[in-house]
This record gives sequence, C-alpha cells and structure tokens, in this order.
Amino acid sequence: LAKTTQPISMDSYEGQEVNITCSHNNIATNDYITWYQQFPSQGPRFIIQGYKTKVTNEVASLFIPADRKSSTLSLPRVSLSDTAVYYCLVGEEGFQKLVFGTGTRLLVSP
Amino acid sequence: DAGVTQSPTHLIKTRGQQVTLRCSPKSGHDTVSWYQQALGQGPQFIFQYYEEEERQRGNFPDRFSGHQFPNYSSELNVNALLLGDSALYLCASSAKGWGNTEAFFGQGTRLTVV
Repeated sequence: LAKTTQPISMDSYEGQEVNITCSHNNIATNDYITWYQQFPSQGPRFIIQGYKTKVTNEVASLFIPADRKSSTLSLPRVSLSDTAVYYCLVGEEGFQKLVFGTGTRLLVSP
Repeated sequence: DAGVTQSPTHLIKTRGQQVTLRCSPKSGHDTVSWYQQALGQGPQFIFQYYEEEERQRGNFPDRFSGHQFPNYSSELNVNALLLGDSALYLCASSAKGWGNTEAFFGQGTRLTVV
C-alpha cells in the first residue's frame, strides 16, 4: 500500500475553510484515496473517498490532481466540533487492510 | 440499525494474563478487522476475518489471535499480556465483494495492562 505524508497539525478558526493536503507519490493505478476522521477515544469515521478529479459530499470535498500524487481534503466553514485527527489512506478499491499514518491533528478555535 | 459494537469498553489486566475482546459487526457486514491504537498514533492493522477465517494479518506476534463466528461476530484474544499491549483496540466491519471500502469502526476497548 502506498505511503502517505500529511502535516502533523493544523490550526483554524470557526467559519474558515480548511484544506489538508496529503502526498502519496507512489500511488498505484488501482489505488483509491480515502479520508477518515477520528475524535478522542472513538473509532475513525469515513469521510470521503475518490479516485480522480473532485468528489463532494455533505461533509467535505476531495480534490485530486491529474497525476494523483497528492490530494486535498477541504472542510468548508469548520466548527469547533471539527476538531479531530484526519487520516489520509491509499489503497485499492475494496481493500480491507487500512494503513493509517499518524494523521493531521486539526484544532478549531472560536 | 446498530453500528459496530465492542465489549467491554474498558479493561484492566495484569502482565502475563490473557484477554478476550468482542465485536459485533454492523448489520449486513461480513468482514471484521481488528486494529491496535497506541496513544498518539494511528490505528495499526492486526488481522481481518472473513468467512470465519483469518484472511490478512499485520505485523503482530502469535500472542494475538482471533476468531469469527457464523453470525460474523468476532473475538480478539491476546495471551501473555505485556505492558506494551496497553492501547485502544478497534474493531471495524465492512462488506467484502462490494468494492465498498468504507469500514465502520466501533468505539473501541481501552485495555490497560499493569
């Protein structure tokens, strides 16, 4: 599974848009990009998944450039409750073994 | 519809003891995976069960074993506990063969080894 690199931490304020970028230089042709969110003492929660271009759901958007060597998770108008750790994962569709890095710790302040 | 449920939520054991953790997958899911999450780290894959067999395994010693039952629920057993086994143990369920990579996680079991 391709290794991912993402910032250790990010700070933001309520109402701002937050963009978290993940690098995955060795991504394979069959790999998808998936993001999970985790609150303290809870299990990770699926946010969004994509293969190329842009994916949007009710929670976030995922931007993937043509070379797919990176991806950006965009959280519109964050609130205090968006304070969490965000993980970027890469693997084949249907892959079941999730390989987590250390994630990005997002802190949203008033 | 209940999601993934794990029991117990917290557990304290002594070094050398054995522990069994339990997981019930989300309704409609047939695949269960277990993860260990140390403080400040991302979850680490232990193993995955499908059709009552271990299908994949991470880099964990044989002290870690598991089982899946016909109703898809699963157990994680850890023998000869070490202090370093203290962690949050997460169970994740998914449906194999859909092409759906969304795994649903339980709240976890916090294991403390003293």
